[in-house]
Amino acid sequence: GAVVSQHPSRVICKSGTSVKIECRSLDFQATTMFWYRQFPKKSLMLMATSNEGSKATYEQGVEKDKFLINHASLTLSTLTVTSAHPEDSSFYICSASYNRDGVYNEQFFGPGTRLTVL
Amino acid sequence: ILNVEQSPQSLHVQEGDSTNFTCSFPSSNFYALHWYRWETAKSPEALFVMTLNGDEKKKGRISATLNTKEGYSYLYIKGSQPEDSATYLCASGGGSEKLVFGKGTKLTVNP
Repeated sequence: GAVVSQHPSRVICKSGTSVKIECRSLDFQATTMFWYRQFPKKSLMLMATSNEGSKATYEQGVEKDKFLINHASLTLSTLTVTSAHPEDSSFYICSASYNRDGVYNEQFFGPGTRLTVL
Repeated sequence: ILNVEQSPQSLHVQEGDSTNFTCSFPSSNFYALHWYRWETAKSPEALFVMTLNGDEKKKGRISATLNTKEGYSYLYIKGSQPEDSATYLCASGGGSEKLVFGKGTKLTVNP
């Protein structure tokens, strides 16, 4: 159980275009979804946390107007990289968790999306 | 800002060898320590979540220990197999606090 899918797995786009990445929890309802980014030889870095039906909370230094996050349902969150530039090229990965009577629940990760901006 | 450090960065062992890696983290305001196994092109897979000082957890040939007072955790693999080849991530945090990840230890087990 606790499977998270991510689509697409790889995308190449031209500078200036927008790219949407989907994150889905397949067999559970995710009350919280997280978006991370990993640059080469660096750690996974949290970009934002989103709760279903409310605005995402962005980490310091992450532009909310550039990285649009929508968490419209308990099984789907999307990250849109707007007006992408080569420096946005990175590995983006989502995770999902659920709350259950205040008990701590781990995050379940998707397989990630490799974005290359030409 | 938390700093989570992992060592070594990469490791090559022969099939059958036992190995271990280290994760160090700030001991103040500790919530939980997580170990993940991440194979290429797959999702990171949760191995262990540990919260109490002195915790020891085991899953098959893999085990982990936790020292929250000095801020470190060890992951042990006994009798490594080629299928154990992966990047092993540790992360500190969770609950209402974000997870802060180390850079990972890339393990390669040669047949």
